[in-house]
Amino acid sequence: DTGVSQDPRHKITKRGQNVTFRCDPISEHNRLYWYRQTLGQGPEFLTYFQNEAQLEKSRLLSDRFSAERPKGSFSTLEIQRTEQGDSAMYLCASSALASYNEQFFGPGTRLTVL
Amino acid sequence: DAKTTQPPSMDCAEGRAANLPCNHSTISGNEYVYWYRQIHSQGPQYIIHGLKNNETNEMASLIITEDRKSSTLILPHATLRDTAVYYCIVRVVLGPGANSKLTFGKGITLSVRP
Repeated sequence: DTGVSQDPRHKITKRGQNVTFRCDPISEHNRLYWYRQTLGQGPEFLTYFQNEAQLEKSRLLSDRFSAERPKGSFSTLEIQRTEQGDSAMYLCASSALASYNEQFFGPGTRLTVL
Repeated sequence: DAKTTQPPSMDCAEGRAANLPCNHSTISGNEYVYWYRQIHSQGPQYIIHGLKNNETNEMASLIITEDRKSSTLILPHATLRDTAVYYCIVRVVLGPGANSKLTFGKGITLSVRP
């Protein structure tokens, strides 16, 4: 257990539905990251926050995706109008402020879109 | 960030050293070498990082060649629990161009056999 928790661990939804995932980082960590991982591939960066500010977004993050970290603590990732191609593991990680600090990953949320 | 090249897989016997290679021939002077691993159904886990000197911690040793174009992660006494995908990542972490995100490739799958 790294101290980063994600909820839910598994989500099955029908195409076109909206889903929301939550990440609780290690409490003293300023930075929070979201990654997506499909089968057989390494994780791909989606976005990251420093405190409550979203500082970088990947072009993978289409307009159907939105992430928030309203109080600089937990974060949510919402996918609207899900598509089958959104099926993946969504990973959250957190780190202390400096870029060289290691990132601690949560167990992930596995999304299956039927 | 510079690209890395890793063989797709390797195996080793339990109790023996596992030497995992990584090529990063286009690495620049301010890029660090990071290693993470991902055990099946878990999030990635930080192992070690270095710039140009060899590094050792409780998990592994990192040997970086003098020209910094390649590195080797050494697990000195592999156990069955070390079976995982190991990712070699290079990134700028300090100063201009510092990059917070991790760019994962496909990694190398290490299988430790009894």
